[in-house]
Amino acid sequence: AQTVTQSQPEMSVQEAETVTLSCTYDTSENNYYLFWYKQPPSRQMILVIRQEAYKQQNATENRFSVNFQKAAKSFSLKISDSQLGDTAMYFCAFMKHGIPNNNDMRFGAGTRLTVKP
Amino acid sequence: DTEVTQTPKHLVMGMTNKKSLKCEQHMGHRAMYWYKQKAKKPPELMFVYSYEKLSINESVPSRFSPECPNSSLLNLHLHALQPEDSALYLCASSPILKVGTEAFFGQGTRLTVV
Repeated sequence: AQTVTQSQPEMSVQEAETVTLSCTYDTSENNYYLFWYKQPPSRQMILVIRQEAYKQQNATENRFSVNFQKAAKSFSLKISDSQLGDTAMYFCAFMKHGIPNNNDMRFGAGTRLTVKP
Repeated sequence: DTEVTQTPKHLVMGMTNKKSLKCEQHMGHRAMYWYKQKAKKPPELMFVYSYEKLSINESVPSRFSPECPNSSLLNLHLHALQPEDSALYLCASSPILKVGTEAFFGQGTRLTVV
């Protein structure tokens, strides 16, 4: 079974600064996908970034980037130039590779990020 | 249209009531999901439908009854719930054959059982 661990229940950062959220996972699979989702007070889960395990290059999406260390089973999220709108709960998620894509997605416990003005 | 729409947004029901949660998407996704999320916890998978057929049931009590009448709609029928069933219920969808694609989530239904 796959487990996802987020060891930081809460974090805060000053506006315009950089923050890194940690995530580790445990799996015996070789092919899989990792995601960071954001859940603001509006409740909707919004995809921030995704990473394919077979890709060595770290994914980036504008101000968001990941540090994917496959051997260490680590998948951290870096948010640069933090904005007030980044305040949300952030969930790390793991999904096995599989066809059909039944999306058995497993989430970590989440990190509540507060961006302070 | 890249939205998953859930109705109602809020629901209060008694333990003897029967109610239904609805979810709709028009992205052509053939996999649809129900998740349950308690406060300050991650979403927990309840059910997965693939091509309108139930493919995963994570040992959910029978007082929760899912239904997928067509490829765009997903319902969750509720009957004789308990107060501990109060939670945010999230619906999601994804393209079934596009491996590794993320799920698209709705805004959820906040359910309170009294």
